Amino acid sequence: KAGVTQTPRYLIKTRGQQVTLSCSPISGHRSVSWYQQTPGQGLQFLFEYFSETQRNKGNFPGRFSGRQFSNSRSEMNVSTLELGDSALYLCASSYPRTSGRGSTGELFFGEGSRLTVL
Amino acid sequence: AQSVTQLGSHVSVSEGALVLLRCNYSSSVPPYLFWYVQYPNQGLQLLLKYTSAATLVKGINGFEAEFKKSETSFHLTKPSAHMSDAAEYFCAVTPSSNTGKLIFGQGTTLQVKP
Repeated sequence: KAGVTQTPRYLIKTRGQQVTLSCSPISGHRSVSWYQQTPGQGLQFLFEYFSETQRNKGNFPGRFSGRQFSNSRSEMNVSTLELGDSALYLCASSYPRTSGRGSTGELFFGEGSRLTVL
Repeated sequence: AQSVTQLGSHVSVSEGALVLLRCNYSSSVPPYLFWYVQYPNQGLQLLLKYTSAATLVKGINGFEAEFKKSETSFHLTKPSAHMSDAAEYFCAVTPSSNTGKLIFGQGTTLQVKP
């Protein structure tokens, strides 16, 4: 079974640009969560999508947005990039509970997209 | 609000020695607790999880953790460290199994000396 796939793995942008990161979850997983990892702030939750709907949102500015498609693939977008947005962005997917609602909390992570903003 | 505190950002042990990584949590509701490991340039891998079924939880690679409600702790242990255990370890908490939102601790880097 293929794992969570994130693309691109590495990218370099300049301040003011925007970036789109992609995440393909494990087959059958319907919940996708995004996290930002930096040396100073650690791992911080960005948002979670389930069945194309945003279920939870972290404490990030509106420049950070995401969406989920009908095949559960997800993208996140960061507009007007700032130096502080340099980070490893991790996507995680999880399978739904037997009731079909949400995730079990056991997240399967991709290897991340490392964004450098110059 | 929930939070997690990992005591010690760096822990160094000798190969074959006991590994003890400390995690204390704060939660107003019965929590779900996790330990994840991250190897360099990789994502996070689940080591084990506590979901209230048993207080002593066994995970992969010989790791285990004990949930102690009275101490609000969920420390990770391994009887004998191996060189391949060198990595960064994260404790995480969530109030519900029905969410992909985890609150992570700051992480503990484990160094294993030969």
